[in-house]
Amino acid sequence: KNEVEQSPQNLTAQEGEFITINCSYSVGISALHWLQQHPGGGIVSLFMLSSGKKKHGRLIATINIQEKHSSLHITASHPRDSAVYICAARTSGSRLTFGEGTQLTVNP
Amino acid sequence: DGGITQSPKYLFRKEGQNVTLSCEQNLNHDAMYWYRQDPGQGLRLIYYSQIVNDFQKGDIAEGYSVSREKKESFPLTVTSAQKNPTAFYLCASSMDRGGNQPQHFGDGTRLSIL
Repeated sequence: KNEVEQSPQNLTAQEGEFITINCSYSVGISALHWLQQHPGGGIVSLFMLSSGKKKHGRLIATINIQEKHSSLHITASHPRDSAVYICAARTSGSRLTFGEGTQLTVNP
Repeated sequence: DGGITQSPKYLFRKEGQNVTLSCEQNLNHDAMYWYRQDPGQGLRLIYYSQIVNDFQKGDIAEGYSVSREKKESFPLTVTSAQKNPTAFYLCASSMDRGGNQPQHFGDGTRLSIL
């Protein structure tokens, strides 16, 4: 069992839908990252959070430390949101443990 | 613009050859990282460096080598000892060594065996 598990692995939505991607981890962490990987392979850091909730535009990330669970929400989804979304847990020092990613496809 | 540059974008290697992947950053970041990405798996850490002239093995360092002679450069050599080198390689950097800042990623290099 991976230390960081994401669900679902694949997600298809219609434009405008509210989207939730989940991340569970089984180890103690000091922070959790959400990343976005575009089809060409480049990765962009979306959020880094250790408690509560963060919001940037249509993206919201939440974390529940007691339940060892984080969610990434996308409101009013758009085809340009199509990408792989990756959660990563900072477990020791500066090292990250990555989930396998969620492939999101938003159809017009 | 500040960022991380990986080159080349695509790289082909013959059996038994060593190849070096370039990673350069102009963000003045102390820490740099190399990851490997395989289909259906999460990124795995190969090597990381928190300061010039120092680096540590990650989870899958066998068959790889690195150097950190300059702050802005962290090249990765895939040696002939790496038996399954075909993968997507990502370089990243972060401002601090303690992991309190997010990592910035390059666009990756895709390595294939001929």
